Amino acid sequence: AQSVTQPDIHITVSEGASLELRCNYSYGATPYLFWYVQSPGQGLQLLLKYFSGDTLVQGIKGFEAEFKRSQSSFNLRKPSVHWSDAAEYFCAAGHPDNNNDMRFGAGTRLTVKP
Amino acid sequence: DVKVTQSSRYLVKRTGEKVFLECVQDMDHENMFWYRQDPGLGLRLIYFSYDVKMKEKGDIPEGYSVSREKKERFSLILESASTNQTSMYLCASSLPQREGDNEQFFGPGTRLTVL
Repeated sequence: AQSVTQPDIHITVSEGASLELRCNYSYGATPYLFWYVQSPGQGLQLLLKYFSGDTLVQGIKGFEAEFKRSQSSFNLRKPSVHWSDAAEYFCAAGHPDNNNDMRFGAGTRLTVKP
Repeated sequence: DVKVTQSSRYLVKRTGEKVFLECVQDMDHENMFWYRQDPGLGLRLIYFSYDVKMKEKGDIPEGYSVSREKKERFSLILESASTNQTSMYLCASSLPQREGDNEQFFGPGTRLTVL
């Protein structure tokens, strides 16, 4: 069955430190991959997406993600975290032939320490 | 900019009430979705619609129905609300497969509490 796994439920980093959020997927074909961010009480905002081509994808707010086919991973990174990055982050995978089939991970909550 | 709006940010209802959650998108998207979001479970698809009057069940349709009478509007209906339907409900829309890349655009969510 298609699925997306975010192994870390909660991560705490210090402001200015680097960040990596993990995401693994299980799909028959290489899916379209997305990272969304959700601030408290808000809907989901797209950070970045990957379909094909360059495996390193740049997004908004200084985030990037790297697609690694051999590891079925799409980890999100940021070199220096800001207090405003505290939020919940969701990885999602969509089937390339059926855009009604989108699977979301359970989310990783990021806390930023001053 | 795509805008997806939901009729209420917070809603409190009593067990057994009929509840309507409304969602409107302004980008002429053909696909619309309703999810519920619960801690530790991520987003789970309740129903989606790929055209007016067309609907398909998602992963957790029990206890819900939907209505899409106009392209821009997609309603989620709880026929008889129960306490286990207390959750955050998110609406989303997207372009059809032939035009898009699966990206879904989300509304701000409705936090529903059923007492």
